[in-house]
Amino acid sequence: QKEVEQNSGPLSVPEGAIASLNCTYSDRGSQSFFWYRQYSGKSPELIMFIYSNGDKEDGRFTAQLNKASQYVSLLIRDSQPSDSATYLCAVWMDSSYKLIFGSGTRLLVRP
Amino acid sequence: EPEVTQTPSHQVTQMGQEVILRCVPISNHLYFYWYRQILGQKVEFLVSFYNNEISEKSEIFDDQFSVERPDGSNFTLKIRSTKLEDSAMYFCASSEDTQYFGPGTRLTVL
Repeated sequence: QKEVEQNSGPLSVPEGAIASLNCTYSDRGSQSFFWYRQYSGKSPELIMFIYSNGDKEDGRFTAQLNKASQYVSLLIRDSQPSDSATYLCAVWMDSSYKLIFGSGTRLLVRP
Repeated sequence: EPEVTQTPSHQVTQMGQEVILRCVPISNHLYFYWYRQILGQKVEFLVSFYNNEISEKSEIFDDQFSVERPDGSNFTLKIRSTKLEDSAMYFCASSEDTQYFGPGTRLTVL
């Protein structure tokens, strides 16, 4: 069974701080990794994707991938109250046509 | 900016009834998907569709479920005889490489 694990949280950080969200996955065949943001009652919204080991930056967001450790993370710099949401880690395997989602980490940014 | 659309936003039905959920994927995308999310739980894959056929389906996607692309724009999910446990948010997604999700249909089975 291919699994994606996330700490459910909530992760509470003050406004302006760095929020660090983590995800591990079980299948070494995983090729592509995605972070989605989901506000309550809404659909997942793509934030970033990463394919290669290392860091990838996009504005206030940085995705980090370590395939040897089967670990993906998302850093949010200068966190804003509007960043308060559930962050979903999702893994894609080229051998199958589907995303496997973690259960999400709820982030609370305190004003 | 192109987006995936879904109708209806909320569907209420009686147990045993058939429902059809509709999606309009992003126009140049070739891959289509349905996912569901039961309240408080994770997003679960149901089915993927490419070139007018199912590419992969999950254990959830049993004989009660079917998908169709009846024309060049719509992509539908049919549940033939709904059960209480089918109550969930149903998300359609489409992709060239990364998947973009529609706003979802909340299905409530009474």
